[in-house]
Amino acid sequence: QVQLQESRPGLVKPSETLSLTCTVSGGSISTYYWSWIRQPPGKGLEWIGYIYYSGSTKYNPSLKSRVTISVETSKSQFSLKLRSVTAADTAVYYCARSSDSGSYFLHWGQGTLVTVSS
Amino acid sequence: QSALTQPASVSGSPGQSITISCTGTSSDLGTYNYVSWYQHHPGKAPKLMIYDVSNRPSGVSNRFSGSKSGNTASLTISGLQAEDEADYYCSSYTTSSTWVFGGGTKLTVL
Repeated sequence: QVQLQESRPGLVKPSETLSLTCTVSGGSISTYYWSWIRQPPGKGLEWIGYIYYSGSTKYNPSLKSRVTISVETSKSQFSLKLRSVTAADTAVYYCARSSDSGSYFLHWGQGTLVTVSS
Repeated sequence: QSALTQPASVSGSPGQSITISCTGTSSDLGTYNYVSWYQHHPGKAPKLMIYDVSNRPSGVSNRFSGSKSGNTASLTISGLQAEDEADYYCSSYTTSSTWVFGGGTKLTVL
């Protein structure tokens, strides 16, 4: 059974960089699309971006200038870096894996709350 | 990219049927049949309920069904049960090779 687990940075200061890692178990990271998705308090889901196992990436245009997603296949991990954070970046962050076809999000992590505050 | 449009809330009594709409544009669900629906209970991981417009993953009740017409997709839940109370999100692939979600719909089972 594929399982995804986000790291838990907890609190990040404004203007700093939010860093998250998703560890994949029960399956190979060497295929599929691997995404980051977030949910600010009281709001809906927002797709942040994905990385293909080969390293190609795509980002939400609204976040593109601040986001980098990378993959480390040897550790079965992929990571998110979001620069210059503000309170608006406070959210539960989820990592997710695509289906074989890549057309939907099949497996999700439990999510981790990241709070941006001084 | 703009979020897909969903009603903020819907409600129904046990046993009834409800439908949640999800409206997009020709840049997303109007072009692709890559529409999926997710059930989200607070504090838990979202769960896939429908994929590629109308397909149900194994293990999902056949009370859940999906459809699409033009720029609007729909999720129908028949025979409402108390356990169906949750937030529901639609999602679509876009012509920019990105993904977009709906704003979410809170389902209340009366």
